[in-house]
Amino acid sequence: AQSVTQPDIHITVSEGASLELRCNYSYGATPYLFWYVQSPGQGLQLLLKYFSGDTLVQGIKGFEAEFKRSQSSFNLRKPSVHWSDAAEYFCAVGDKRTSGTYKYIFGTGTRLKVLA
Amino acid sequence: NAGVMQNPRHLVRRRGQEARLRCSPMKGHSHVYWYRQLPEEGLKFMVYLQKENIIDESGMPKERFSAEFPKEGPSILRIQQVVRGDSAAYFCASSPAKGAEGYTFGSGTRLTVV
Repeated sequence: AQSVTQPDIHITVSEGASLELRCNYSYGATPYLFWYVQSPGQGLQLLLKYFSGDTLVQGIKGFEAEFKRSQSSFNLRKPSVHWSDAAEYFCAVGDKRTSGTYKYIFGTGTRLKVLA
Repeated sequence: NAGVMQNPRHLVRRRGQEARLRCSPMKGHSHVYWYRQLPEEGLKFMVYLQKENIIDESGMPKERFSAEFPKEGPSILRIQQVVRGDSAAYFCASSPAKGAEGYTFGSGTRLTVV
């Protein structure tokens, strides 16, 4: 069955430090992969997505993610974290139904805390 | 473009009452999805609807929960005879077609059952 694992429940980094959030997926075919961010009390905002092509994808707010098929990973990175990046981050994989529509399976999230 | 609108933002119900959660998709989006987020858990898929049709309800509890997306008006997630375990954040998302490009999420309805 398709699944997404985010092994880190909480991560704390200092402002200005680099960040990497891990995501591993289980999917039989080439996956559609997404990262979303959720600020407290808010809905989810799409950061970036991967469908095919270049395995390094750029997103909003200075984030990027790299698809590594051999490791079944899609880790999210940012070279220098800002205090406003404190939020919860969700990785998701798109599961294609036989009808051609997509259902998204989400990981349990990683809560990022940024120290001043 | 107002985005995905959910109301109410917060809803408090006593055990045994009914909860009705509303979702208006983005303009031009005809596909609606409901997800539930329990504390310290990720988002769990509940149901996928197109206008007047339920496409996939594999994540919906078999009892007390129902969803609709009528020809006119918002999508409604209805929970009858609520119990404490129904307390959660319920998110609606929409997409313009088959959802391959990802979803646009609303800000959610936080249901508290007392």
